Amino acid sequence: GQQVMQIPQYQHVQEGEDFTTYCNSSTTLSNIQWYKQRPGGHPVFLIQLVKSGEVKKQKRLTFQFGEAKKNSSLHITATQTTDVGTYFCAGRVAGSNYKLTFGKGTLLTVNP
Amino acid sequence: DADVTQTPRNRITKTGKRIMLECSQTKGHDRMYWYRQDPGLGLRLIYYSFDVKDINKGEISDGYSVSRQAQAKFSLSLESAIPNQTALYFCATSDPTQGSSTGELFFGEGSRLTVL
Repeated sequence: GQQVMQIPQYQHVQEGEDFTTYCNSSTTLSNIQWYKQRPGGHPVFLIQLVKSGEVKKQKRLTFQFGEAKKNSSLHITATQTTDVGTYFCAGRVAGSNYKLTFGKGTLLTVNP
Repeated sequence: DADVTQTPRNRITKTGKRIMLECSQTKGHDRMYWYRQDPGLGLRLIYYSFDVKDINKGEISDGYSVSRQAQAKFSLSLESAIPNQTALYFCATSDPTQGSSTGELFFGEGSRLTVL
């Protein structure tokens, strides 16, 4: 079945450092979504990427979708303590309009 | 008030007991989902429903059943709970007509279940 691999599993940074998490799918995706889950909270939608090579920015967050639509990344510039949490990617396969396959997530901790 | 409400938020039970987790939503979405979260394993789909008459198995449906009582209500049952069903359970909704053909997921706050 479809798999979405996400690395790293954990990342600890000093406040102000950059952070990147990567997702790779075993199959071509129709789109990919990113979610953030704060400690003790529930996943919250951040963004969806649909087009090959797409790049979207939200303030300090930059999201990319690979040309082959099999990989994606989330980059945070100059991390802040409010960025702490687990970041999940979730990919959807073309023709499967329900099935979002989640990566295992990257837990980001930020040392102030 | 939360748009997607789960009850109970926390539950401790014993092996063999029947447990029901309930989810209700005020978003008016047709699609509802039950996910399970285990540390280091991400979110795995248990069941999903596209409307009241539609129920579908997800990746890990064994040992679980669901009921879609109304558009706004989707409950998850463990007929005979076992310890490896100890996990954090999330209900979610989506509306594929919002913005794209896929729709983002709106999650409830989660139900933490411990089976002893």
